[in-house]
Amino acid sequence: GNSVTQMEGPVTLSEEAFLTINCTYTATGYPSLFWYVQYPGEGLQLLLKATKADDKGSNKGFEATYRKETTSFHLEKGSVQVSDSAVYFCALKANTGFQKLVFGTGTRLLVSP
Amino acid sequence: DSGVTQTPKHLITATGQRVTLRCSPRSGDLSVYWYQQSLDQGLQFLIQYYNGEERAKGNILERFSAQQFPDLHSELNLSSLELGDSALYFCASSTQTATSTDTQYFGPGTRLTVL
Repeated sequence: GNSVTQMEGPVTLSEEAFLTINCTYTATGYPSLFWYVQYPGEGLQLLLKATKADDKGSNKGFEATYRKETTSFHLEKGSVQVSDSAVYFCALKANTGFQKLVFGTGTRLLVSP
Repeated sequence: DSGVTQTPKHLITATGQRVTLRCSPRSGDLSVYWYQQSLDQGLQFLIQYYNGEERAKGNILERFSAQQFPDLHSELNLSSLELGDSALYFCASSTQTATSTDTQYFGPGTRLTVL
């Protein structure tokens, strides 16, 4: 079945550091890929998405590129802020029929001043 | 604000009890999904409804049930509650047609605590 693997956390960075959170997936066909973010005490918010190979999703300084050859969708940000501290979830959705989101385990990011 | 609303925000109850969680999807969205987030299981898909009909089932216990009403709001019913049912329950909605690649938008969640 479809699955998503994320790097283990927590990821601890200083403010203005470069961020990478790795995400790889296993799926048949061509799924859509998503990054969701969960701030402390809040629900899930869509951060960015990509629906086909080589697409780049971007939002709020975060970027991720859909790499079919490596089945990856790594999240990057050039300069993190304390306010980026949250849990980040990578997810996929098959694009055939009625399909659920399959989530990774989440990666906690802690940014210190 | 995603446009998806969930009530209540918090729910504290005892083992053996029954509770109902409510979700209103974004305006125009026909599909509603329920997910459970717990420390040991992570984010798990429970069930999906589309325009009033059940479309997909995930890891939903027999003690749990859901429905989607004509006005498209949905309710998740949890009965004979156990300590292990304590979790954050999310509702999400999407336009979701059979061939779409649309996005699911999540509500703020209902935190259920079973004592």
